[in-house]
Amino acid sequence: TQLLEQSPQFLSIQEGENLTVYCNSSSVFSSLQWYRQEPGEGPVLLVTVVTGGEVKKLKRLTFQFGDARKDSSLHITAAQPGDTGLYLCAGEWRGSNYKLTFGKGTLLTVNP
Amino acid sequence: DTGVSQNPRHKITKRGQNVTFRCDPISEHNRLYWYRQTLGQGPEFLTYFQNEAQLEKSRLLSDRFSAERPKGSFSTLEIQRTEQGDSAMYLCASRGGMNTGELFFGEGSRLTVL
Repeated sequence: TQLLEQSPQFLSIQEGENLTVYCNSSSVFSSLQWYRQEPGEGPVLLVTVVTGGEVKKLKRLTFQFGDARKDSSLHITAAQPGDTGLYLCAGEWRGSNYKLTFGKGTLLTVNP
Repeated sequence: DTGVSQNPRHKITKRGQNVTFRCDPISEHNRLYWYRQTLGQGPEFLTYFQNEAQLEKSRLLSDRFSAERPKGSFSTLEIQRTEQGDSAMYLCASRGGMNTGELFFGEGSRLTVL
């Protein structure tokens, strides 16, 4: 069973601050996805990364995939209350047969 | 709405009763997944179908749990003799044929076992 560690588990910050969430595995990902989930709803995809060293930007969100494809980070600049939610990373490894394994998530609260 | 549909959205039952959840995936998606999620945690994989074939089951899926996808379209997840520990959100997701395709989730079915 592949394990995917996400940190921090909880994060409470003030509006306008920056933050970074991390996702790590001991194995090489074939692909990694970041999702955001709001209470009472299913997760919604933010980004997919597949190439080592890849950087993707989505407005104030920046996603990095480690060169060795074992880790990823999500950085939010100038956080807003609307960014509040559960951020999940999910990965596939070689041989995982299309099964996506999720981390435990980072519960972000942005206070006005 | 052509997204993933789950019902019922909420189910409250007494311990020992059987419950069944239904998932209607996006019509052209051949892969369908069931996950379980407890409050503040990430989704835990339960099982996965490619068309009508159940390709993998988690050890979390005890013999009280059974999932089917009889015609490769909708799927059902049945829990027999429910226990309080079964209380959770049951999420269904579907996925198309791309190797790095995203999962499209339904809104989930929340189960409360009293």
